[in-house]
Amino acid sequence: DTGVSQDPRHKITKRGQNVTFRCDPISEHNRLYWYRQTLGQGPEFLTYFQNEAQLEKSRLLSDRFSAERPKGSFSTLEIQRTEQGDSAMYLCASSLAPRQYEQYFGPGTRLTVT
Amino acid sequence: LAKTTQPISMDSYEGQEVNITCSHNNIATNDYITWYQQFPSQGPRFIIQGYKTKVTNEVASLFIPADRKSSTLSLPRVSLSDTAVYYCLSYSGAGSYQLTFGKGTKLSVIP
Repeated sequence: DTGVSQDPRHKITKRGQNVTFRCDPISEHNRLYWYRQTLGQGPEFLTYFQNEAQLEKSRLLSDRFSAERPKGSFSTLEIQRTEQGDSAMYLCASSLAPRQYEQYFGPGTRLTVT
Repeated sequence: LAKTTQPISMDSYEGQEVNITCSHNNIATNDYITWYQQFPSQGPRFIIQGYKTKVTNEVASLFIPADRKSSTLSLPRVSLSDTAVYYCLSYSGAGSYQLTFGKGTKLSVIP
């Protein structure tokens, strides 16, 4: 068990560019979550997958954001036409039923939009 | 989900027991209380969860009184490495799997 990993750890991009982040959950975990965290705030829920199905999306997830989890393993989060307000830490977490409240978080990807 | 309220910050000396109280006046029957810890530049880490009365694990204790309108996380004999932000969350056992974090309590342990 190597924990949840995220790649890249840091990303600097110019406004208007597209970025994609990857999350590899703990291998046997069937649930995967994306959160966003800005400085001084707690993480905010973005979306959640059970296996390959995206079951819930926050209204924070504008149409510029898309997430996938093909084959129910790793997941990607893409942000199109980035804006400065997208600058944040993007956290991925995974869990296994029935302890879905015990979510294991990755180290996050810090996005800076210039 | 219940809205949780907790102190913004707390200071404690090393070796002391720290109690962080969280209020959740509108907690629903299906809601559980969960606590997470977060160090700088890391993702949050699950500490403990409870529904009612007292739960203890190797890291902390959680006490939730009978009316469930508040809860107290107890950290025994804190060390400098316990300096972190602690989040109190309500979690619904009835369908939604998202965690709703507030701003948390920044605990500073002083030597």
